Amino acid sequence: EAQVTQNPRYLITVTGKKLTVTCSQNMNHEYMSWYRQDPGLGLRQIYYSMNVEVTDKGDVPEGYKVSRKEKRNFPLILESPSPNQTSLYFCASSPKPPYEQYFGPGTRLTVT
Amino acid sequence: AQTVTQSQPEMSVQEAETVTLSCTYDTSESNYYLFWYKQPPSRQMILVIRQEAYKQQNATENRFSVNFQKAAKSFSLKISDSQLGDTAMYFCAFMNRFNAGNMLTFGGGTRLMVKP
Repeated sequence: EAQVTQNPRYLITVTGKKLTVTCSQNMNHEYMSWYRQDPGLGLRQIYYSMNVEVTDKGDVPEGYKVSRKEKRNFPLILESPSPNQTSLYFCASSPKPPYEQYFGPGTRLTVT
Repeated sequence: AQTVTQSQPEMSVQEAETVTLSCTYDTSESNYYLFWYKQPPSRQMILVIRQEAYKQQNATENRFSVNFQKAAKSFSLKISDSQLGDTAMYFCAFMNRFNAGNMLTFGGGTRLMVKP
């Protein structure tokens, strides 16, 4: 089954404790992205990757890091999480634009 | 930069009736795509319908259709014969055809409740 998986689905952590949210896709897509969803703001792109070792900032990259060492994986790293990063996070993948983006199931992150 | 506005935070409709969700956008681009995504309580983002800006014909997918008014920069979603399973958050989204990051710009969403 073609899918994007994310882990963990739920995470509660404390300010300053480094964390990683994993994302993996099995569709051999070149493009992958991370979005955060906040009430009233919809989803906003954090980072994207056009292929292995090629990443760039989206609209709201501050406080986040990403890496793309393998085509299928695109982890999101918060090196020093803060409460304003409490949000719902989505990973997405797609073939070259402008094709449909396939979203993962979301990760609910709470930073206290 | 593009902006997408959904002016109806919440709507409700009776089962089997028709409802229209509004979306307006602002862009200086001429080559772009518009989407409606559905997010049910499971939080999964599901593509409902897609419209290419260069196509004058409005897209349809079964009970879902759009009214695309390019000059007015309006992209509304009509749901016919509403079903209980249509209860969800609906997001309008914009994508510039030549955006390097394949970025979707989303509106703030409309929460739709279908009542029995």
